[in-house]
Amino acid sequence: DAGVTQSPTHLIKTRGQQVTLRCSPKSGHDTVSWYQQALGQGPQFIFQYYEEEERQRGNFPDRFSGHQFPNYSSELNVNALLLGDSALYLCASNLGPPGSSTDTQYFGPGTRLTVL
Amino acid sequence: AQKITQTQPGMFVQEKEAVTLDCTYDTSDPSYGLFWYKQPSSGEMIFLIYQGSYDQQNATEGRYSLNFQKARKSANLVISASQLGDSAMYFCAMREGTGNQFYFGTGTSLTVIP
Repeated sequence: DAGVTQSPTHLIKTRGQQVTLRCSPKSGHDTVSWYQQALGQGPQFIFQYYEEEERQRGNFPDRFSGHQFPNYSSELNVNALLLGDSALYLCASNLGPPGSSTDTQYFGPGTRLTVL
Repeated sequence: AQKITQTQPGMFVQEKEAVTLDCTYDTSDPSYGLFWYKQPSSGEMIFLIYQGSYDQQNATEGRYSLNFQKARKSANLVISASQLGDSAMYFCAMREGTGNQFYFGTGTSLTVIP
C-alpha cells in the first residue's frame, strides 16, 4: 500500500523564481491538501483539492496556486518566490469529499524549499 | 484566537517512563476531530492517534493514549514506556466538522533520556 509521495525532496531557488512541487496521494485517496511548515512552527494550511478543483484555501496569496490531475496527484506552484517562502511543504491525502470525511490525513515526507 | 495551543515547547522524559504532552483547542463546532502526529527530524508527519468529539471513551493506540476532557477542551497525549525512538516533535491538530483543513499547534519537542 503506497503512502503519500512527494518530489523533489529538496529544492533551492532564488528570489523571483517560480517553483513546482509534486504529490501523489496514498492509494485509494482522492483529496489532497498542501501545508507550509516554517522552521519551528506547525504546518499551515495552503489549500485543498478534490475532483480537480480547489475546495478550501487558507490565508495564502495568489502566488500560491495548485492543480489536481485525474489520477488525483497534485502540484503546488509558487510564483515570484520570496525569502519567506523558505519552508517544508507537506502534502497530505485522505478520502473525500470535503466536509464529510472522517478519515485521517496522511502526510508525505515533504519538500524542503530554500529561497536564496 | 488560536485553534490549537501547545504550551510545552520542550519536554524531557527518562526512558521507560510515561510522559504527557498537553494540547488545548478552541472551536464552536460540536463536531470535530483531534489528532496527534509525530514528526522526526526527517520531516514526515506520522499519524499517532485520533479522537472524535462524540467518542465516549478515550482513544488508545498501543503505547499512545489520548486524555480527552471535552469540558476543558483538552486533548493530552500520553506516551507510556518511553523509548529512545520517541524523541521527536509532536503536533496536536484539529479538524472541524465543516471541512478537511487541519489546524496545528506549534508542537512539543520530546527528548527521551537513556
